[in-house]
This record gives sequence, C-alpha cells and structure tokens, in this order.
Amino acid sequence: KNQVEQSPQSLIILEGKNCTLQCNYTVSPFSNLRWYKQDTGRGPVSLTIMTFSENTKSNGRYTATLDADTKQSSLHITASQLSDSASYICVVTGGYNKLIFGAGTRLAVHP
Amino acid sequence: DAGVIQSPRHEVTEMGQEVTLRCKPISGHDYLFWYRQTMMRGLELLIYFNNNVPIDDSGMPEDRFSAKMPNASFSTLKIQPSEPRDSAVYFCASSSLQGALAFFGQGTRLTVV
Repeated sequence: KNQVEQSPQSLIILEGKNCTLQCNYTVSPFSNLRWYKQDTGRGPVSLTIMTFSENTKSNGRYTATLDADTKQSSLHITASQLSDSASYICVVTGGYNKLIFGAGTRLAVHP
Repeated sequence: DAGVIQSPRHEVTEMGQEVTLRCKPISGHDYLFWYRQTMMRGLELLIYFNNNVPIDDSGMPEDRFSAKMPNASFSTLKIQPSEPRDSAVYFCASSSLQGALAFFGQGTRLTVV
C-alpha cells in the first residue's frame, strides 16, 4: 500500500535552534517528493521538490534530503525563527502521477 | 501575478443546499488541482485538470461532487446536495508542469450545518 508517514506528529523548539522532520514512504513507483509549509489558515507553500537522483536540496534555511534506497526524506530547519511555526507536509508522487500526502508535522517555535 | 485566487474564502450553508467553489489559476499554468483538507484526513487530492481537461477524478468522494474547467482561467467545484461531512477547507492549486511545484490558493473554508 502506498503510504507516506511523517514524524514527529508535533514538535516544539526554541527560537534559534535547529530541527529535523522525517518522512518515510512506501510509494512505488516513485516520481518525486515535495515538502510544503502550511501556515495556519493559509494554503500550502512549496519548499522543495526532489527527484530520484537528487540527494539534497536547499531553500534558504530549509534543507531537504532524500535517500531513495531507504525511502526516507528529511527536512532540516536551521536557526529556527518564530515564522517557521507551521505544518510541514511531505508529498510523494507515485505511479500515474498520483499524489500521496503525509499527515504533516506541526512545528511550534517558541521565543 | 496575484497567485491562485479562490472564492469565497468562507462559506456556511445548510445541509442539502448546493455549494459552488471557484478558482482562478495562475495565468499560463496548464495544471489545476482541487484538494480537500480536514483534521482527520489531512490533504486529499480530489481532481486535477490539464489544459482544461479532467485527467484524474478518482479522489472525488461521490457523485455529489463535480468539477468543471470551462476555460484556462476558471474552474468550479460543486457539491450538490451538501452534507455536514463535506465541511472542510477546499484548496485549489495550479502548476506549469505536472511535476513542478504547485502554487496553492488561500482556500475556501466550507461549513455545512
């Protein structure tokens, strides 16, 4: 069964600290993996998109990694800011361009 | 570009009524997606269009849901008749390529009472 599992479900960190969010998938075939940030009450915003051959991709303080062998991805946030408080959603594109969504990780950055 | 524009932002309706959600994609984007988001089920893809043609509607929950894209700049998602379990936030997104990053609208929060 095609699934995308994210961990942790929620996370609280102090401003300035780093954190890493995990995404494990069992989707096959695999086309690409995306990370979205969704602020409360707003639509998701794309952070990164990675294909099979890409191991790492950065977008400012956000760095995503992908291990296609173990079917794992991570999103690392460096020097967190209060504005990083949001839900982070991992989405995997599988066969026939089917999108499989993770449940998301809710991140709270406290001062 | 103003981004993906959805209307209305909020909709409260009584069970049994028809609801129509509207979306204007980013100009030049060939793909348009309709999603539904709830606390219980997270984000779900309902249907997507390519060049105004529905490609995959397997996510549409039942016959009460229908979506149209009469032209490249406008799409609607209609629920008739609406039920309380349809209460959710409905997002529209567009992208230039299927594999490219999609840009989301602000969503329509639908409440069916």
